[in-house]
Amino acid sequence: DAGITQSPRYKITETGRQVTLMCHQTWSHSYMFWYRQDLGHGLRLIYYSAAADITDKGEVPDGYVVSRSKTENFPLTLESATRSQTSVYFCASSGQEIYGYTFGSGTRLTVV
Amino acid sequence: DAKTTQPTSMDCAEGRAANLPCNHSTISGNEYVYWYRQIHSQGPQYIIHGLKNNETNEMASLIITEDRKSSTLILPHATLRDTAVYYCIVRDTGANSKLTFGKGITLSVRP
Repeated sequence: DAGITQSPRYKITETGRQVTLMCHQTWSHSYMFWYRQDLGHGLRLIYYSAAADITDKGEVPDGYVVSRSKTENFPLTLESATRSQTSVYFCASSGQEIYGYTFGSGTRLTVV
Repeated sequence: DAKTTQPTSMDCAEGRAANLPCNHSTISGNEYVYWYRQIHSQGPQYIIHGLKNNETNEMASLIITEDRKSSTLILPHATLRDTAVYYCIVRDTGANSKLTFGKGITLSVRP
């Protein structure tokens, strides 16, 4: 199906574990983004990518790693999960700079 | 990105027009006004954007003042499903420009 999909939808992990959140889009959009959303902070940009193999930090990148070997995939990895990374994570994509972003349905991550 | 200010919340009756205001007094000439909304637990949804002319699509209308210091998003016939947080965002389209979300305005549509 066309669109942007995130997986898993829900994830519980333990402190210190590595976890990867997946994001896949079928439009061949150049731009992809990862946001996290917490009560009291709203949506904050973690990382973004302008094209395959081009990534850059957003507002809150510490503790996260991204890669973009293929245009359609933009995984987000928490190298050593902490409780403060408990959040809802949204992936988004955009075809051109002027266009609006299309967001995925989100991944709710709980770190215990 | 220029900052925006929105009321914290508002409500309107179902079937009536919902007019959501946004102030962006420091907007620069190459910055666009974008509106998104987020229905509970879902990802944000793009609604509309504009530079200086008024814009309309199947979801809403965007009215931008002549001096571009404020705008209004109009949902012409609000339904209960329009209850959401609405974000007004200004951004340019430069290579490093990203969407920065504020707190938005919570619209409650009452029956």
